[in-house]
Amino acid sequence: NAGVTQTPKFRVLKTGQSMTLLCAQDMNHEYMYWYRQDPGMGLRLIHYSVGEGTTAKGEVPDGYNVSRLKKQNFLLGLESAAPSQTSVYFCASSYGMEGAVSNQPQHFGDGTRLSIL
Amino acid sequence: AQSVTQLGSHVSVSEGALVLLRCNYSSSVPPYLFWYVQYPNQGLQLLLKYTSAATLVKGINGFEAEFKKSETSFHLTKPSAHMSDAAEYFCAVRRAGGSYIPTFGRGTSLIVHP
Repeated sequence: NAGVTQTPKFRVLKTGQSMTLLCAQDMNHEYMYWYRQDPGMGLRLIHYSVGEGTTAKGEVPDGYNVSRLKKQNFLLGLESAAPSQTSVYFCASSYGMEGAVSNQPQHFGDGTRLSIL
Repeated sequence: AQSVTQLGSHVSVSEGALVLLRCNYSSSVPPYLFWYVQYPNQGLQLLLKYTSAATLVKGINGFEAEFKKSETSFHLTKPSAHMSDAAEYFCAVRRAGGSYIPTFGRGTSLIVHP
């Protein structure tokens, strides 16, 4: 059981380049999330999705776009990378709000370390 | 609205000493509370969760946390620290019955000295 898989694990970009981070989960979770983690800032929510075909903005959405075309996948895009987007990006998934599973925790991937030069 | 405050960005203990990591929350309705651990170069893993069944919650690796409604706290403890406990610890809160978007604290880095 793979859980949450993020690709790539590492990437170096030049300012202005674009890229897409892929997150895949095999637990049939409804909810998926993208976070960024920076020293002293904890986890900050970028975007999230409550189901296939839906997305919503989190705390720090500017400069990022997302898509959830399939339930198991959640893509994070950087259209024009900036040095301020240098960070470690984490994807997570969880059950939704239905019944007894509404108190279940999130499951996290191992992160993508992204450097923008 | 909901929020989480973790007191102390770094906590340093000696091996064998008591570990106490503090978490205070605010929530307009009864919350679900979680502690996660993050080892270097890894994602977050669930340590334990409070979901109203019992105020004292036992988790993995000998950790436990007590929910105190009057103090709006959910502090994490372990009687005896091991070197392997050195990691980043995050407290998270989610409102029961609300949208499943949890709020995380900023994290506490636990340093264990030999």
